[in-house]
Amino acid sequence: QQQVKQSPQSLIVQKGGISIINCAYENTAFDYFPWYQQFPGKGPALLIAIRPDVSEKKEGRFTISFNKSAKQFSLHIMDSQPGDSATYFCAASMIPGNQFYFGTGTSLTVIP
Amino acid sequence: GAGVSQSPSNKVTEKGKDVELRCDPISGHTALYWYRQSLGQGLEFLIYFQGNSAPDKSGLPSDRFSAERTGGSVSTLTIQRTQQEDSAVYLCASSLISGNYGYTFGSGTRLTVV
Repeated sequence: QQQVKQSPQSLIVQKGGISIINCAYENTAFDYFPWYQQFPGKGPALLIAIRPDVSEKKEGRFTISFNKSAKQFSLHIMDSQPGDSATYFCAASMIPGNQFYFGTGTSLTVIP
Repeated sequence: GAGVSQSPSNKVTEKGKDVELRCDPISGHTALYWYRQSLGQGLEFLIYFQGNSAPDKSGLPSDRFSAERTGGSVSTLTIQRTQQEDSAVYLCASSLISGNYGYTFGSGTRLTVV
């Protein structure tokens, strides 16, 4: 059973637009929610993460919005650039814990 | 080293053969994790090491899969009698401490079983 559900599977955005990727989880014991960015042939790299005690976290053009009551969180990429074209994975875990539960990924293409 | 190193980067093997995948974590990182990434799927947890011991092997899909870690450093994931469904990218990650704080992933080993 997929512990973290991610949508959409793929996304095409014009340069300068906003990219939005959504994730939902069921396990209320999760208390750490990272997003990873993966380029072809590379391993995932931590992009930004949030704990459930805040509703939003922003780092540069990347923002996580977190809705604890709905058990949903999303990644917003403002002013999307062609260099942002990659696969994005949301994840959830317990702290402390031994593993992350990953979503199935979103392939983002930013068109120049 | 500067990052997590995995070898080989690509491996093609015949069905039924055994394979060994290697992971060199970042120096000093005590926690090491193996994940599997299949086409169109998210990352699937396989096993976690703290030092040389593996307190969580819950993700290993069958007894054909095993892993060890020596010297608190290098880890080897072994798949015996490979099957076509084992084809995937195998990713290793390490972190300075255990507890699920941000990992650093390697670039993975792409395994193709023909």
